[in-house]
Amino acid sequence: AQSVTQPDIHITVSEGASLELRCNYSYGATPYLFWYVQSPGQGLQLLLKYFSGDTLVQGIKGFEAEFKRSQSSFNLRKPSVHWSDAAEYFCAVGGNQGGKLIFGQGTELSVKP
Amino acid sequence: GAGVSQSPSNKVTEKGKDVELRCDPISGHTALYWYRQSLGQGLEFLIYFQGNSAPDKSGLPSDRFSAERTGGSVSTLTIQRTQQEDSAVYLCASSSVGSGANVLTFGAGSRLTVL
Repeated sequence: AQSVTQPDIHITVSEGASLELRCNYSYGATPYLFWYVQSPGQGLQLLLKYFSGDTLVQGIKGFEAEFKRSQSSFNLRKPSVHWSDAAEYFCAVGGNQGGKLIFGQGTELSVKP
Repeated sequence: GAGVSQSPSNKVTEKGKDVELRCDPISGHTALYWYRQSLGQGLEFLIYFQGNSAPDKSGLPSDRFSAERTGGSVSTLTIQRTQQEDSAVYLCASSSVGSGANVLTFGAGSRLTVL
């Protein structure tokens, strides 16, 4: 079955601390992987995507993610979190022929001053 | 348009009434998607259009839900005889073809409250 698991429902980090949000996927074909961010009352914004090539991808707002095929993971990282990063983060997987994306349940990030 | 536009942004209705939610995708985007986001939940896929056809409508929860797309552009999601469990934010997204086929751009959503 195709699925995405984000094990952490809620994470709190201090401003300036590093961040890693976990994502594991199950997908029968070559996966295309995404991270989206949703601020309160807003739609989803694409942070970064992985299609092929270099397994470490850079995104907007200083985020990066690493694709590890052997672990079926695509974890999101940021070296130093800012208060404005507080939001909900969604990992998603899709195929290379277009079509729907399958989303995880999301991880809510809170940032302490 | 410049982005994906959804209307209404908020809709409050009474149980048993029908509602229509509209999505206007980015100009030139051939693919259009509807998702549902319930409180504290992830995004639940509802239906996907390629042009005016719906090759995947596996996520529609019941026959009370239907969607159509006309002219390869605007889409309408209709919920008949609304129930309280239909309360959610309904998100629309669109994408282009080729290398951009998987990159979904989302609208701000339509929040539906069924009393």
